[in-house]
Amino acid sequence: EVQLVESGGGLVQPGGSLRLSCAASGFTVSSKYMSWIRQAPGKGLEWVSVIYSGGSTYYADSVKGRFTISRDNSKNTLYLQMNSLRAEDTAVYYCARAVGDWGQGTLVTVSS
Amino acid sequence: DIVMTQTPLSLSVTPGQPASISCKSSQSLLHSDGKTYLYWYLQKPGQSPQLLIYEVSSRFSGVPDRFSGSGSGTDFTLKISRVEAEDVGVYYCMQAIQFLTFGGGTKVEIK
Repeated sequence: EVQLVESGGGLVQPGGSLRLSCAASGFTVSSKYMSWIRQAPGKGLEWVSVIYSGGSTYYADSVKGRFTISRDNSKNTLYLQMNSLRAEDTAVYYCARAVGDWGQGTLVTVSS
Repeated sequence: DIVMTQTPLSLSVTPGQPASISCKSSQSLLHSDGKTYLYWYLQKPGQSPQLLIYEVSSRFSGVPDRFSGSGSGTDFTLKISRVEAEDVGVYYCMQAIQFLTFGGGTKVEIK
């Protein structure tokens, strides 16, 4: 059974950093493309970043240069390093395996 | 960037009645591999989005057959043949031909 469990969210001040983790089970994180998708409070879904099985990475313009997606195959875990955080980055962050499997999300709040 | 436009914004449906949601993309979602990368999700209150339909019209595992998807190119539709109470939530279409882009969502409630 595929399972994705996000962690690492919390309250951070503007300009601060956080690293989100997504622990995967039931498959290997390098076998499919993996994405981070976020949802601001009361809003819709916004794609943030993707890492393909070959290792290529891409980012939404809103986070380019500030966020970095990576994976650790030995830990079967996906990461999102978020730097220079802004109030508008406040959201629940979901990791997803291709299109079919999503985690439960982790809340990131950027506020002073 | 591909823009996904969903209508209506909300629907209030009597149980047992049908419902239909439209999704239009700013570019064709037909890939050279012959697949059309259009998906439908339902986000129930307090939950993560769950996949209902993949590649326009294929139901994901465990999805009831009252859900169906249709369309081609840039115009797509999700239909619920007989709405049930458990179908309430926000429905999103998503394209995956060029990264991922979501429609704005359609909130479905029961009358």
